[in-house]
Amino acid sequence: AQTVTQSQPEMSVQEAETVTLSCTYDTSESDYYLFWYKQPPSRQMILVIRQEAYKQQNATENRFSVNFQKAAKSFSLKISDSQLGDAAMYFCAYNNNDMRFGAGTRLTVKP
Amino acid sequence: KAGVTQTPRYLIKTRGQQVTLSCSPISGHRSVSWYQQTPGQGLQFLFEYFSETQRNKGNFPGRFSGRQFSNSRSEMNVSTLELGDSALYLCASSLGRGGTFQETQYFGPGTRLLVL
Repeated sequence: AQTVTQSQPEMSVQEAETVTLSCTYDTSESDYYLFWYKQPPSRQMILVIRQEAYKQQNATENRFSVNFQKAAKSFSLKISDSQLGDAAMYFCAYNNNDMRFGAGTRLTVKP
Repeated sequence: KAGVTQTPRYLIKTRGQQVTLSCSPISGHRSVSWYQQTPGQGLQFLFEYFSETQRNKGNFPGRFSGRQFSNSRSEMNVSTLELGDSALYLCASSLGRGGTFQETQYFGPGTRLLVL
């Protein structure tokens, strides 16, 4: 079974600084999709970024970028120029006909 | 476009009762998935519906069921409620053109269920 591991239950970053959230996954598949979702206190899950496994180029969305290492089965999220509004739970998710989420990383942004 | 909507937003039930939750997907989306989120188990996939048919199912007991209507709206039903069913139930929709989960899913605000 595919599993997703987020080894950092909590992270903290100073406003305007950069932070990296880690995610590893376990799969025997070669074609799959990876996501980072953000869940603020409102509990609404918001898509941050998506990566297709067949693409070698790392996905980027404004201040958010990923470091996708397929061989290492690693999918980390980098948030640049952190803002107070980035404070939330961040979930890494894997899917290939079976959606799996990590346990989440709670990000705190200090002013 | 309007986002995914879920009703009701909050619900209190007692053990043994049943409950029905509703989800309206984004216009044009044909796939609806349901998730349960609890502090202990995290986010867990319940099932996915596409074109009124259950296309994929997670590892939950038969007390959890769902259906999808011709307008893509979906309902989830939990019968014989247990204390452990207290959770945030999230619905997500996607276009449904690809296989299950090959597309980005857009989540609703969730229904918070408390079982007493």
